[in-house]
Amino acid sequence: QVQLVQSGAEVKKPGASVKVSCKASGYTFTTYGITWVRQAPGQGLEWMGWISGYDGNTNYAQKLQGRVTMTTDTSTSTAYMELRSLRSDDTAVYYCARNIWGSPSDYWGQGALVTVSS
Amino acid sequence: EIVLTQSPGTLSLSPGERATLSCRASQSVSSSYLAWYQQRPGQAPSLLIYGASSRATGIPDRFSGSGSGTDFTLTITRLEPEDFAVYYCQQYGSSPPFTFGGGTKVEIK
Repeated sequence: QVQLVQSGAEVKKPGASVKVSCKASGYTFTTYGITWVRQAPGQGLEWMGWISGYDGNTNYAQKLQGRVTMTTDTSTSTAYMELRSLRSDDTAVYYCARNIWGSPSDYWGQGALVTVSS
Repeated sequence: EIVLTQSPGTLSLSPGERATLSCRASQSVSSSYLAWYQQRPGQAPSLLIYGASSRATGIPDRFSGSGSGTDFTLTITRLEPEDFAVYYCQQYGSSPPFTFGGGTKVEIK
């Protein structure tokens, strides 16, 4: 069965970086991409960007350009999302989800809480 | 960027009642690339509807989606206890960002 298992919760100070992992199983990693979505406490969903599992091609939300980097390791079927220069308003649950470009996200990870606090 | 506006913000209904949720886009959503997700408290979102009206695998037929262009609707014909949750629409077919609506909470009256 398809599973996306994310890394655990993190607490970071403002200005630091965080790297969240998303390990995929149950399907051929290179035939799908990974979308990253975040959700601030009590708020809605925010699309952060997408990375191809095939060639690593990325598309980032403009508001995060320059602070976010999405990568993959096809040898371990793992996707990563790194966010730099963290601010308090980056506090959120970060989700990875599987999809092909132009398709909805059909499987989601369990989420990883990132707390930014001094 | 396409802005999706969901209404109402909260819907208070009883089990067995019908729920009608709206999602309006600031510009036409190409090829009806509109999805609906359900999110229960403390859980990740899960896909309900894609292509505006196609149910995802395993989704019961009390859930239906309709609409095109800029106006879309999610209907739940008879609310079951497990349906009380937050619902989000998302457009995924036009240029990114593939934005989400602000959500509609369906709560028990």
